[in-house]
Amino acid sequence: DADVTQTPRNRITKTGKRIMLECSQTKGHDRMYWYRQDPGLGLRLIYYSFDVKDINKGEISDGYSVSRQAQAKFSLSLESAIPNQTALYFCATSDREKGGNEQFFGPGTRLTVL
Amino acid sequence: AQSVTQLGSHVSVSEGALVLLRCNYSSSVPPYLFWYVQYPNQGLQLLLKYTSAATLVKGINGFEAEFKKSETSFHLTKPSAHMSDAAEYFCAVSEWGGGADGLTFGKGTHLIIQP
Repeated sequence: DADVTQTPRNRITKTGKRIMLECSQTKGHDRMYWYRQDPGLGLRLIYYSFDVKDINKGEISDGYSVSRQAQAKFSLSLESAIPNQTALYFCATSDREKGGNEQFFGPGTRLTVL
Repeated sequence: AQSVTQLGSHVSVSEGALVLLRCNYSSSVPPYLFWYVQYPNQGLQLLLKYTSAATLVKGINGFEAEFKKSETSFHLTKPSAHMSDAAEYFCAVSEWGGGADGLTFGKGTHLIIQP
């Protein structure tokens, strides 16, 4: 089945470390997104990408950067991790051709910053 | 700007009882509306979506939702709760005609099923 995968699934790191979360998809979708989930806050958008050459900031982009290496790959980086970036991170995709912005989510990466 | 309010961070119902999870939205343009479910240690799965067709939308696992423009609501219901329905439920909105940017999510409602 076409899918959205995220690596790693779990990561523990220390304050100040640089860390990269990776997302790959086999759905052939053009749009990709990164969200973070915090208890009681729902999901909030960090960055999104229409295609390889188009990157856009979301609601909470400070402290994060992204790279769209190919249509199928979208990476999220924390340049210098801090404890309040401890969260569950989700990658998602959607298909411009289908409209409606239905998004398909990966399984998530649980990040802990000590 | 768009926003979503989910009433009740936790909802508890007995097995076999009606499930009602409330969602109200605000949007400056006609919206697309979604309900997602998250089971423990899993990603989000689409339950159903409203994209300007029928106002009563049927989804998976016996869930349905009704779009009421006058009330700016999109409440999720299921006639008879099952133990397997225990999960976190998220309502989300996207602007019709746009949609390239992300979804705006509510804070979620944790559904508890009592035996």
